[in-house]
Amino acid sequence: GNSVTQMEGPVTLSEEAFLTINCTYTATGYPSLFWYVQYPGEGLQLLLKATKADDKGSNKGFEATYRKETTSFHLEKGSVQVSDSAVYFCALSDRAGNQFYFGTGTSLTVIP
Amino acid sequence: ETGVTQTPRHLVMGMTNKKSLKCEQHLGHNAMYWYKQSAKKPLELMFVYSLEERVENNSVPSRFSPECPNSSHLFLHLHTLQPEDSALYLCASSQDAALSLTGELFFGEGSRLTVL
Repeated sequence: GNSVTQMEGPVTLSEEAFLTINCTYTATGYPSLFWYVQYPGEGLQLLLKATKADDKGSNKGFEATYRKETTSFHLEKGSVQVSDSAVYFCALSDRAGNQFYFGTGTSLTVIP
Repeated sequence: ETGVTQTPRHLVMGMTNKKSLKCEQHLGHNAMYWYKQSAKKPLELMFVYSLEERVENNSVPSRFSPECPNSSHLFLHLHTLQPEDSALYLCASSQDAALSLTGELFFGEGSRLTVL
């Protein structure tokens, strides 16, 4: 079946530190992969996505590369800001459509 | 108007109450969803509607009853809930139900439900 595993948080970093949030997946076909972000008091919103192997998604300084050989989609940012404090969800959608599979979320707090 | 609006934002109810959650989307989308978000668990898909027809029901207890009167509105009727049903209930929409084509869900801010 399909599933997503992401690193447990919470993660606390100082401003301008490097961020990595690990995500690995299990899928029966060729899924699309996503990172969603949930800021405090808000719903989830799409951060970036990649639809095929070796694609790199990027947005707001965040990047993630679709690695089929390691079934991973790790989220990275070179220099985090206080405003990046949020919960980050890794997700996949299968080719049959109709359903996303989400990870448990990783809470990030960036301190000045 | 924000894209997806949910009301109420917070709800406290007893186990014998009947209440409803409401979701409205202003994006012209054809598919709408209910998700349950509990601490330290993946988001759980509860219901999917496409063009007002239910297309997915992930073995949700009958004490949760969805209603989709048109493509812009989605309700979740709640009856005789249990304390373990306390969670954040998220509504989402997408252009269509074939998610692999568009790949994006648009979420509301959620309704925080507490069952006493």
